[in-house]
Amino acid sequence: DIQMTQSPSSLSASVGDRVTITCRASQGIRNDLGWYQQKPGKAPKRLIYAASSLQSGVPSRFSGSGSGTEFTLTISSLQPEDFATYYCLQHNSYPDTFGQGTKLEIK
Amino acid sequence: QITLKESGPTLVKPTQTLTLTCTFSGFSLSTSGVGVGWIRQPPGKALEWLALIYWDDDKRYSPSLKSRLTITKDTSKNQVVLTMTNMDPVDTATYYCAHSSGGSAHHPWGQGTLVTVSS
Repeated sequence: DIQMTQSPSSLSASVGDRVTITCRASQGIRNDLGWYQQKPGKAPKRLIYAASSLQSGVPSRFSGSGSGTEFTLTISSLQPEDFATYYCLQHNSYPDTFGQGTKLEIK
Repeated sequence: QITLKESGPTLVKPTQTLTLTCTFSGFSLSTSGVGVGWIRQPPGKALEWLALIYWDDDKRYSPSLKSRLTITKDTSKNQVVLTMTNMDPVDTATYYCAHSSGGSAHHPWGQGTLVTVSS
C-alpha cells in the first residue's frame, strides 16, 4: 500500500493567515492526488483534484501543488468557514489511501 | 447534477453481516470509466477506503478487508451494494459512497450513514 504522511496533524491559525498542509507519498503517485475538506457531521468535499486543479465552485484562496511524492495544499487567506479538517487522498494505485488529516483550528 | 445516498441498518450485532446500498442519480454505471466506491470513517478518526466497482464490473478491495467485503452493482436500479461480513464493534463508522470517473476519483460523496456495531 502507498502510505500518505500528512502534516501537521493539527494547526492553530487566525483569520487572514496563510496556511500550508503537506502530504508525502511513500512512492511516486504522479499527480493522482486530491484534497478534501470535512466539517463536523458532514461528508468530505473535494477542493483540489489532479494535485493542482481547483474544483469548480471552490474559492480561489485554495491551491494545490506538487507531483511525485510531495504535495501541498495552501489557503492564502483563512476565512472563518475554512476551519475544518483536511485530508489528502492518493488514487494512483489500489488501495486508495488517505492522509491522517489536519485539523485546522481558530487561534 | 450527481447525487448519491447511502442506506442500510443503523445498528448491527457482532458477527452479523452488514448490507449497505448506495442509490445514485445524475450518471450511469454503464458509462465507460465510471465507478462507485465506498469509504468509512470511525467516530473521530480518519477516512478509510474500502472498495470500488467500475462500469465493466471490475472490482477493487482494500487488502486488509478483502475477505469480508463484496461489492456489486445493479445498473438498472442505479444502485451499488456493499456487504461486510462478521461485523465487530471496531467496524462502527460512518460509511460513505462516492462517484469516480476516468482519472477523477471520489467526487462527489453521499451524505454518509452511521453504522453502530453493538450487542
